[in-house]
Amino acid sequence: GQNIDQPTEMTATEGAIVQINCTYQTSGFNGLFWYQQHAGEAPTFLSYNVLDGLEEKGRFSSFLSRSKGYSYLLLKELQMKDSASYLCAVRDSNYQLIWGAGTKLIIKP
Amino acid sequence: SAVISQKPSRDICQRGTSLTIQCQVDSQVTMMFWYRQQPGQSLTLIATANQGSEATYESGFVIDKFPISRPNLTFSTLTVSNMSPEDSSIYLCSVLPPGQAEWGEAFFGQGTRLTVV
Repeated sequence: GQNIDQPTEMTATEGAIVQINCTYQTSGFNGLFWYQQHAGEAPTFLSYNVLDGLEEKGRFSSFLSRSKGYSYLLLKELQMKDSASYLCAVRDSNYQLIWGAGTKLIIKP
Repeated sequence: SAVISQKPSRDICQRGTSLTIQCQVDSQVTMMFWYRQQPGQSLTLIATANQGSEATYESGFVIDKFPISRPNLTFSTLTVSNMSPEDSSIYLCSVLPPGQAEWGEAFFGQGTRLTVV
């Protein structure tokens, strides 16, 4: 079967750095996405990786290792507004998005 | 990008009734998707709705329970029929914007929070 694993919840301090990991086992691979979802809101796109390596976008970076079936989302200089769920999703060989359950990130002052 | 208006944002419904959720996009899109998200769980794809053809349903979802209409390239509806408390969830529509390749990012409506009592 297809599976996306990510931690259920993480806690970090304002101003710090946090890394959210995602491991996947899917039928084929056509890219990995990270989305941010605030409580009661729709997911919003953060990043996309299709090749191995690091993609940087401001305070957010995403890393991919296809051989290891592994990605992480790195958030720097954490702000209170970063408190949200972070969803990892993989596009499989049928171009369907397979979603992880999300990681709830709690930021403390 | 694409701007998606989804209605209603929330509703409380009696069991046995039906609710139709609407999704309006500000541009023409080929592929629209309907998801369900239960509390603390991942997004589950219900069906893919392409204009001019029958919706394609995922395993565990059937047309009689979740009929979908896609009358044009900017609009779709999902009906949750004969509701039971187990249907209480957030329902989301999603699109791939015009010109976006199959592998591009998806955009989402605001979601409909459904509670069945």
